[in-house]
Amino acid sequence: GDSVTQMEGPVTLSEEAFLTINCTYTATGYPSLFWYVQYPGEGLQLLLKATKADDKGSNKGFEATYRKETTSFHLEKGSVQVSDSAVYFCALRKLISNFGNEKLTFGTGTRLTIIP
Amino acid sequence: DTEVTQTPKHLVMGMTNKKSLKCEQHMGHRAMYWYKQKAKKPPELMFVYSYEKLSINESVPSRFSPECPNSSLLNLHLHALQPEDSALYLCASGGGSYNEQFFGPGTRLTVL
Repeated sequence: GDSVTQMEGPVTLSEEAFLTINCTYTATGYPSLFWYVQYPGEGLQLLLKATKADDKGSNKGFEATYRKETTSFHLEKGSVQVSDSAVYFCALRKLISNFGNEKLTFGTGTRLTIIP
Repeated sequence: DTEVTQTPKHLVMGMTNKKSLKCEQHMGHRAMYWYKQKAKKPPELMFVYSYEKLSINESVPSRFSPECPNSSLLNLHLHALQPEDSALYLCASGGGSYNEQFFGPGTRLTVL
């Protein structure tokens, strides 16, 4: 079945450091890929997405490129801030039917802490 | 309005109680979802409603009973829960070829 393997955490970085969180996937067909972020005590927020190979998703300084040849969707940011501290989930989406039924398969999540 | 709202924010219930979680969205989405998230784990899909009909049930125990009264509302009725059912319950709406799922803030459920 479909699966997402995500970099183990927790990850602790100093402010302004470069961030990479690795994500690889196993899936048949052509899934869409997402990064969601969860701040303490909150639900999930979409950070960025890519719907086909070679697409680059970007938002708030974060970027990820859909690499079909390496089945990867690594998250990067050039200079992290304390406010980026959160849990990051990589996810893939498969459509089940024509009526928008779909399943999101999540990675285990990576807890990121940025210290001043 | 790009928000999914959930009530209550917190819920404590005994194993013999009956309670309901509520979710609402006004984005015109025709698919809505219930997820369960245990501490330090990713969300796990429970149910999917599409056009107000149950389309996916991920083998969830019958003590969880979903209901979709209309296209904006999604309920999760709880009865005879176990302590291991304590978790954050997330509602989402949207999805499809061009849209992502929008998540609500969740209801944190504690079963005593």
